[in-house]
Amino acid sequence: AQTVTQSQPEMSVQEAETVTLSCTYDTSENNYYLFWYKQPPSRQMILVIRQEAYKQQNATENRFSVNFQKAAKSFSLKISDSQLGDTAMYFCAFMRPNAGKSTFGDGTTLTVKP
Amino acid sequence: GAVVSQHPSWVICKSGTSVKIECRSLDFQATTMFWYRQFPKQSLMLMATSNEGSKATYEQGVEKDKFLINHASLTLSTLTVTSAHPEDSSFYICSATVILEDTQYFGPGTRLTVL
Repeated sequence: AQTVTQSQPEMSVQEAETVTLSCTYDTSENNYYLFWYKQPPSRQMILVIRQEAYKQQNATENRFSVNFQKAAKSFSLKISDSQLGDTAMYFCAFMRPNAGKSTFGDGTTLTVKP
Repeated sequence: GAVVSQHPSWVICKSGTSVKIECRSLDFQATTMFWYRQFPKQSLMLMATSNEGSKATYEQGVEKDKFLINHASLTLSTLTVTSAHPEDSSFYICSATVILEDTQYFGPGTRLTVL
């Protein structure tokens, strides 16, 4: 079974600065997907970024980028130029192909301070 | 992008009553829907997997008779919490998946409060 570990329960960052959220996972699969989801106070799950394991290039979405280290089974999220609206709980997730469902980490609560 | 809706968004009920939560995929047909439960500041806990026209598959520890799931069409799945008790108070989230897309689309969630 896959496991996803987020070792930082809470983090904070000053507005406009950069923050990195950590995620490690354990799997014996070679092909899979990794995700970062944002859950703001509204509790709607929002997909931030998606990475396919067979792609070596790190995924980026505007101010959000990942550092995917397949051998180390590490998948960290970097948020640049942090904004107040980035305040949320962030979940790292793992999905096997065609499984349809993800295994989630415990989440990291990020607070962006003005 | 694909949109998933849930209804109601918030429900309060008395202990002993049943509550039905609907999950709809609005602009696509979902081959599979999933139901999650989430307590404050915790992760999503998968309750069951729902496929259209077949019985739901429940995760270990989830009571089938208490959390009834019906997936009548490719766009609608319902979760009924039967004989609700205060400990069933939680945030319930559904997600829908399109086969071969390998992406989950989440509903906005339903907050259930049992008095």
